[in-house]
Amino acid sequence: SQKIEQNSEALNIQEGKTATLTCNYTNYSPAYLQWYRQDPGRGPVFLLLIRENEKEKRKERLKVTFDTTLKQSLFHITASQPADSATYLCALEDGGFKTIFGAGTRLFVKA
Amino acid sequence: EAGVAQSPRYKIIEKRQSVAFWCNPISGHATLYWYQQILGQGPKLLIQFQNNGVVDDSQLPKDRFSAERLKGVDSTLKIQPAKLEDSAVYLCASSLSPGAPSTDTQYFGPGTRLTVL
Repeated sequence: SQKIEQNSEALNIQEGKTATLTCNYTNYSPAYLQWYRQDPGRGPVFLLLIRENEKEKRKERLKVTFDTTLKQSLFHITASQPADSATYLCALEDGGFKTIFGAGTRLFVKA
Repeated sequence: EAGVAQSPRYKIIEKRQSVAFWCNPISGHATLYWYQQILGQGPKLLIQFQNNGVVDDSQLPKDRFSAERLKGVDSTLKIQPAKLEDSAVYLCASSLSPGAPSTDTQYFGPGTRLTVL
């Protein structure tokens, strides 16, 4: 069956450290993958998109990798800040013009 | 640029009652999505419109949920009758068009939190 899996346990890190979140998928062959941020009581906000032929994408303190062999994407936040605390969702295009979201990983950054 | 607007923000109803949600997407966005997000889960697509035609409604419980997008702009999602398990946040999103990385980024509204008692 098709699945997207993100760490269900919350990730707690100290301010200034690098946060790394994982997104694994099975039985999909996405042309691209997206990461969104969701704060409590708000809708998700788009952060980054990475295509299948791109290994890595960066935007300010954010970095995303995409390994189509491992069927995995890693999302990194460097020099993390308490304001980075949120839930991070990965989403992939399922080949049929539909976007499938993972359940998200909650990140807590302690000052 | 105005974002995606949704109303109401909160709604509390008794089971077996009906409820309707409204969404106004970003101007010029052809694709509109309704998602259901249960606490602790990711958004689940209920229905996807391209202009005013339905692209995907495979996960819409059609015996109780209905949606329409008149004139390819605003959309309403209705639940009738509501069940306890319908308690969730209903998110509306829009994008230029699906299936291509340059146009598939979705912009979400704030959502409507529905509580069914």
